Parts: sequence; structure tokens; C-alpha cells
Amino acid sequence: AQSVSQHNHHVILSEAASLELGCNYSYGGTVNLFWYVQYPGQHLQLLLKYFSGDPLVKGIKGFEAEFIKSKFSFNLRKPSVQWSDTAEYFCAVTYMRFGAGTRLTVKP
Amino acid sequence: DAGVTQSPTHLIKTRGQQVTLRCSPKSGHDTVSWYQQALGQGPQFIFQYYEEEERQRGNFPDRFSGHQFPNYSSELNVNALLLGDSALYLCASSTGQGGREAFFGQGTRLTVV
Repeated sequence: AQSVSQHNHHVILSEAASLELGCNYSYGGTVNLFWYVQYPGQHLQLLLKYFSGDPLVKGIKGFEAEFIKSKFSFNLRKPSVQWSDTAEYFCAVTYMRFGAGTRLTVKP
Repeated sequence: DAGVTQSPTHLIKTRGQQVTLRCSPKSGHDTVSWYQQALGQGPQFIFQYYEEEERQRGNFPDRFSGHQFPNYSSELNVNALLLGDSALYLCASSTGQGGREAFFGQGTRLTVV
């Protein structure tokens, strides 16, 4: 069965710190991978997506993610976080399977 | 260009009642997916509608049903409400059947008392 694991439930960082959020999935077929973000009081928005090709994908607001097929991982990264990055982040495999989410709090 | 719109935004129902939630997809989109998001959890896929038919379904009981209209808008119906059905219900639209990029609405917060 498909599953998505997000290892960190809540991450607290100071501004300018680097970010890496883990995402591992279990799925036997061709995967479409997504990271979504939900800012406080707003709807889910797509940060970035991977369908095929270059395993390093760049998204909006300076985020990037790397697809490592051998590790079944799709970790989200950002070199330097800002206070405005405070939000809930969700990893998804296809449109049907979302992780439980990681809450990111960035302290000014 | 309107995005995905859902109505109502909030709803309170009594256990055992039935509820209908509505979704209008983003302009140009023909596929609608519904999700249930309980507090502190990620969205759980309920089902997807494409060409007015249910194409994929998640692990939800038959109490959850839906419909898609010719204008691509959609309804989610839940019968015999349980307290555990209290959640945020999200609608997402996309183009074509399958796992392409989906745009989400703000959701309907359903509280069952």
C-alpha cells in the first residue's frame, strides 16, 4: 500500500538557518511527488513537483527538493529560512497520498 | 480568474444528519478531488471525479458519495454523520485524470455535534 512518512512533526528554526524536511514514501509504481505548503489561515499551495527528469527540482520562494529513487525519498530544502516561511508543509505521492505534515516555526 | 471555491466555509450538523458540500473548480479544470483533513493530520483522499464519474476512491465508507455536474462543479455528500466526521473538507481541481498539479480550495470546516 502507498504511504508517505514525514519524519519531523514540528521543526523550530531561527531566521537564516538552513532547512531540510524529510519525506519518504512507499509506492511501487511511477511516482509523481509534490510538496505543498499551508500558511496560517490560507489554503494549500503547491511548492514544487517532480514527475520525471532532473531529480533536483526547484520551486517557489527558494525551495528545492531532491528525488532519490534508491532511498524512496523526496526531501525539501531551503538554504536560509525567513520568518514568513512559518507554515505547515506536506509531502504527497500522486494526488492520493499525503504525509501527516511538518509544522515549521521560524523565530525572528 | 477565480480559483477553487468551496461552500459553505463552516457548517455544524448533528450526529445522524446528512450534509452536502460544494466545490467549483478553477477555470479550465475538469477534474475534482475531495479530501478530509482531521486536525493535525494531512489530507486524506476521499475520491476523484472526472467526466462526471467517480474515477478513484480512497478508503472511505459508502456514506461518503459525490457527484460532478456538466460544468465540472462537484458535491460531496456524507450520510449518517458521525462525530468522527468532524474535519476540514478540501476540494482540489486539476486537468485530466491522474496525478497532475492540483489547486486547492479553502475548505469547509464541518463540525458534528
